[in-house]
Amino acid sequence: QKEVEQNSGPLSVPEGAIASLNCTYSDRGSQSFFWYRQYSGKSPELIMSIYSNGDKEDGRFTAQLNKASQYVSLLIRDSQPSDSATYLCAVRGGRNSGYALNFGKGTSLLVTP
Amino acid sequence: GAVVSQHPSWVICKSGTSVKIECRSLDFQATTMFWYRQFPKQSLMLMATSNEGSKATYEQGVEKDKFLINHASLTLSTLTVTSAHPEDSSFYICSAGAGPYSNQPQHFGDGTRLSIL
Repeated sequence: QKEVEQNSGPLSVPEGAIASLNCTYSDRGSQSFFWYRQYSGKSPELIMSIYSNGDKEDGRFTAQLNKASQYVSLLIRDSQPSDSATYLCAVRGGRNSGYALNFGKGTSLLVTP
Repeated sequence: GAVVSQHPSWVICKSGTSVKIECRSLDFQATTMFWYRQFPKQSLMLMATSNEGSKATYEQGVEKDKFLINHASLTLSTLTVTSAHPEDSSFYICSAGAGPYSNQPQHFGDGTRLSIL
């Protein structure tokens, strides 16, 4: 069983602060990593993808990947109340798993005004 | 970005009814589509992987005779919940990718909320 682990939270941060979301995975063969945001009652929407070690920045979002340590994180700068949602870490398995995305259970983020 | 259309967005029907959900990739060819189920306040659970032109691959514990998947074209996959019962009530979401050898992310449909009375 390929596992993706996230702290369920809730993670509460004040508006304007940096929110840090973490994710670890068990499949060392994984090559693709994604962060999705899911609002209550809605389907997930892709916010970041990362494939190589290091940082990748897109606006207020920064994804960080460390394959040696098998973790991927998401930083949200200048957090806004509209960022309040569940953030899903997804790891694409290799050939043996049919390249399906394995999702963590998600971290609930609450940004307080 | 890639668009995946899912229809219907919600269904309410009586126990014993069969319900068909459609998932379409609108601007790309999706050789692989995935079907997920999500119960309230729980994580996404992969039900099956749908490959165009071949039989779907079901995850352990998912009844293939109850959840019929058809992926007859590169842009359409359907999930039919046969003889649905109240315990099948859930949020069903499809996603589509460019194929098993692609690093590209999957894109999700808007989901179908199924309520069985």
